[in-house]
Formats: sequence, structure tokens, C-alpha cells
Amino acid sequence: QVQLLGSGPGLVKPSETLSLTCSVSGASVSSSRYYWGWIRQPPGKGLEWIGSIYYTGITYYTPSLLSRVTISLDTLKNHFSLNLTSVTAADTAVYYCARHLNPLIGFDIWGQGTGVTVSS
Amino acid sequence: EVVMTQSPATLSVSPGERATLSCRASQSVIRNLAWYQQKPGQAPSLLINGASTRATGTPARFSGSGSGTEFTLTISSLQSEDFAVYYCQQYDTWPRYTFGQGTRVEI
Repeated sequence: QVQLLGSGPGLVKPSETLSLTCSVSGASVSSSRYYWGWIRQPPGKGLEWIGSIYYTGITYYTPSLLSRVTISLDTLKNHFSLNLTSVTAADTAVYYCARHLNPLIGFDIWGQGTGVTVSS
Repeated sequence: EVVMTQSPATLSVSPGERATLSCRASQSVIRNLAWYQQKPGQAPSLLINGASTRATGTPARFSGSGSGTEFTLTISSLQSEDFAVYYCQQYDTWPRYTFGQGTRVEI
């Protein structure tokens, strides 16, 4: 049974970097079978795809965050990570990690979500 | 960017009734569309892929239809556990995914 568990600080100061990790159990982040992604949801709002990474390390990002976002894999720890620089209050959201089997399919496994507030 | 527009924003339905949710794309996404259900305080869960293929574990009362720019999610007979927010997502323009703003199904 595949499970994703997101973790990271719940409070980040404006202009600093948001860093989250998604630990994967029951599957390998180095498998060619999967893509791994991050999606966020501001309070009371809808879902926004942030980006995805393939086992090769190739990354794909939404254009609006391209200059601030980095997604990476750690195959030894079997997790993947999100870094978002220069955060503002607009980055306050629940951040979900998720898996998709290929780019032309939905996200079939989701983590529980990590709430992040940007505030001084 | 492909804009996904869902309607209505809120749908009030009684248990046992049929619910019909709409999702419209600003350009054709063929059948590259997924539907998700999100309950309060939980992550979304995948219901439908490819516009009409139920994901593993999705009850048969959920059905998806449509192609191009117009899509529908139908819940044939609402159960108490179906009251939630539903989102559509297009993945045709990979790597540029977009979601609709959601439809809340309430009692």
C-alpha cells in the first residue's frame, strides 16, 4: 500500500524559503513507473498544481512559480522535496504531495497535506 | 493556459437524488480530464480518469461523461458520504495542469 507523508514547518516568514518533504512508503521514488507532484490549496480556495518530478530528476513547473520553485528527489531516503523561495502571504496554503502514474492521468495517491502559513 | 470552469458553485441535493456537475474547458482537452472528491479536512481523492473511467474503488453511482470542452460528473443516487467538494482537472496540456474552482455538493 503506497502512502505519502508530507512534513515541514507550519510557519514561514515573508521573503524566506518554504521547504517541505514528502516521504514515500510502498513505492520507490526511483521507479520509472511514477511521477511525483506538489499541489497547493489556499484557505477556502481551489487546487493549484505546482510541479512534478520524474525519477530521472526531470522537473516540470507551473509557469507562475517557475522562478521560485524547485522540486527534487532523494532516492536514498525515498522522498521528494519542494522548495519555494521569497514567499509572501499569497503562498499560505495547504501543500499536498501526490503521485501520478504518467503525465496524462490524474493524481491517484495523495499525502495528507501540510498547512503552511506565511507570516512574520 | 486552459481555464476550467465548474458549475454550479454549490449544488443543494437531497439524499437519494441525482446530482449533475458540469466542467467546461476554455479549449478542447479531448478526454484528458479527471474528477476528484474532497471532504472537509482531507486530501482530494481521484474518482474518474479519462473523462469516464472510474478509478479503483470509485462506486458505480459515480459516472463521468463528455469530451472536448464539456464534461459532466453524475452521482446517480446521493449517499450521505458524497456530500463534499468536487474538482475537475485537465491534463491535456501537460506539463500545464489546471483545476476547476470546485462544486460544493450540500444537503
